[in-house]
Amino acid sequence: GAVVSQHPSRVICKSGTSVKIECRSLDFQATTMFWYRQFPKQSLMLMATSNEGSKATYEQGVEKDKFLINHASLTLSTLTVTSAHPEDSSFYICSAKAGNTGELFFGEGSRLTVL
Amino acid sequence: TQLLEQSPQFLSIQEGENLTVYCNSSSVFSSLQWYRQEPGEGPVLLVTVVTGGEVKKLKRLTFQFGDARKDSSLHITAAQPGDTGLYLCAGGRGGGGSNYKLTFGKGTLLTVNP
Repeated sequence: GAVVSQHPSRVICKSGTSVKIECRSLDFQATTMFWYRQFPKQSLMLMATSNEGSKATYEQGVEKDKFLINHASLTLSTLTVTSAHPEDSSFYICSAKAGNTGELFFGEGSRLTVL
Repeated sequence: TQLLEQSPQFLSIQEGENLTVYCNSSSVFSSLQWYRQEPGEGPVLLVTVVTGGEVKKLKRLTFQFGDARKDSSLHITAAQPGDTGLYLCAGGRGGGGSNYKLTFGKGTLLTVNP
């Protein structure tokens, strides 16, 4: 199946710094990628939809200036958590849409810990 | 917002037992997907169903899509400890375009005890 890779898998940063997470589709082109946030033992919460070459669409309640998304190519989308605070600590997951069936392939996730 | 109600939220059973997880909505979905996720990893796609009434089998797992494409179920026969994990259903709307969106249920945390 299609492969989506996220990097880094784990990151620890100090409060106030910015962190960038990359999401790459390794063997297919993805015009649309999605970013999710997940708390322990809970489901995935969609944060934003990233479309190649255009601005991301953010879900209600998600601060676009806080979570910057860039989808500069058909195989790469990035999520930057700006001025991170401890409450931003979470598991961030990306997915990429392949084909017309709407199947999504997920990255391995990135665990962010803000001290 | 299209809600996707998933139940039960938590399920703890003994090895060898059968179980069913349900996913219900008042909205129609173009496709419905089931994922399994282990701690610290991303969800892994188990199956996609797109046709109302469709039934798919994956070894001991049976997936069914409701006739009206609003609900789905996952049945596991003779559960094993290796089946332990978070099971997520997700309904897709918007076709293949850029407005496509996947709505997730809250998940079912399954624990199969040896």
